[in-house]
Amino acid sequence: SQTIHQWPATLVQPVGSPLSLECTVEGTSNPNLYWYRQAAGRGLQLLFYSVGIGQISSEVPQNLSASRPQDRQFILSSKKLLLSDSGFYLCAWTAGSGNTIYFGEGSWLTVV
Amino acid sequence: AQRVTQPEKLLSVFKGAPVELKCNYSYSGSPELFWYVQYSRQRLQLLLRHISRESIKGFTADLNKGETSFHLKKPFAQEEDSAMYYCAFSGNTPLVFGKGTRLSVIA
Repeated sequence: SQTIHQWPATLVQPVGSPLSLECTVEGTSNPNLYWYRQAAGRGLQLLFYSVGIGQISSEVPQNLSASRPQDRQFILSSKKLLLSDSGFYLCAWTAGSGNTIYFGEGSWLTVV
Repeated sequence: AQRVTQPEKLLSVFKGAPVELKCNYSYSGSPELFWYVQYSRQRLQLLLRHISRESIKGFTADLNKGETSFHLKKPFAQEEDSAMYYCAFSGNTPLVFGKGTRLSVIA
């Protein structure tokens, strides 16, 4: 069966420090991968999605970037965190557009 | 632009009362619509999708293309239904989510 994991689960980082959130999917190949941010009152905001290795689409211009170095690995990064980057980040995957999306456990990021 | 609107941030109902969580979408083609639910301390998970036309945990949702709506309904709310509910839409872009409605069922 397919599984998705992301880590770390919680992270407290100072302003200006770098960020790396990692997500891996197991049990499937060539998934579509997504990073969402869930913020109070703003719902689920799509940040990045990828349909293949090295292919990244950015939905919202901001202080973050994403990379897909391997088929089932998706990384969310920042060189210098801002206070506004605090939030709950969710990695997700689908087998193709329009199919059911499956979410990871989420990562709580607090920038102080 | 493709958009999903959930007009209610919070909905409180008494146990045993009917529930309707509203969802409207904006898309000119044939959409695929979903409801996702997040219970306390659990990951976001699929509740139902319109193409399957099934009832999950007593919830149903009918796609109304005329009204561009996909409201989630349940005839008798239960305390364990308290959760955050997201309507989601897939057109020709990745899945787009509404802002969510928090359902609180009061005993």
